[in-house]
Amino acid sequence: SQQGEEDPQALSIQEGENATMNCSYKTSINNLQWYRQNSGRGLVHLILIRSNEREKHSGRLRVTLDTSKKSSSLLITASRAADTASYFCATDANSKLTFGKGITLSVRP
Amino acid sequence: NAGVMQNPRHLVRRRGQEARLRCSPMKGHSHVYWYRQLPEEGLKFMVYLQKENIIDESGMPKERFSAEFPKEGPSILRIQQVVRGDSAAYFCASSQPGRGSYNEQFFGPGTRLTVL
Repeated sequence: SQQGEEDPQALSIQEGENATMNCSYKTSINNLQWYRQNSGRGLVHLILIRSNEREKHSGRLRVTLDTSKKSSSLLITASRAADTASYFCATDANSKLTFGKGITLSVRP
Repeated sequence: NAGVMQNPRHLVRRRGQEARLRCSPMKGHSHVYWYRQLPEEGLKFMVYLQKENIIDESGMPKERFSAEFPKEGPSILRIQQVVRGDSAAYFCASSQPGRGSYNEQFFGPGTRLTVL
């Protein structure tokens, strides 16, 4: 079964707006990670949040984790056209990562 | 410090041939992971290796697929007698030992396998 499931599947916003992406999972985790993938390219690690953390910031990124609801959100503030990509959440339970199907973010200039 | 390196970046094979995919982890990393990504899908875990040991191969198909990470040299993912359904992007990731709950994995650019 899919561990990480992102929501929405696709998101289209105007440059400068904020983008919020959500991820839900089913089982206990050690940490949750968010990745970005540009079309046809490899994955870029964005941010890792441990199971005992509730919020983490990195530049224009803000990640929250609610272990009681088994959910996480990724907020990208002041989006740019270069943020256009697919975004994946991945849960880490026993060293292996379980990925969702991803969210396609389009930022219109 | 070079990142995770994979080669080849693109590989074309005919049905029945063998495919060998190579992964060199980041310097200082001794944990390697292989993932497969089908079109429009997320990555699926295949196997987790440490030097000379397979730690978790729960995501590997039982037949035709094998992986190794020798003491010297890159990690190899080997697919024998490829079929069209093996066409996918194969990603390798590496991490440092002893990172506990951090386990930040760094990904290579992937090998895109096309089976004709």
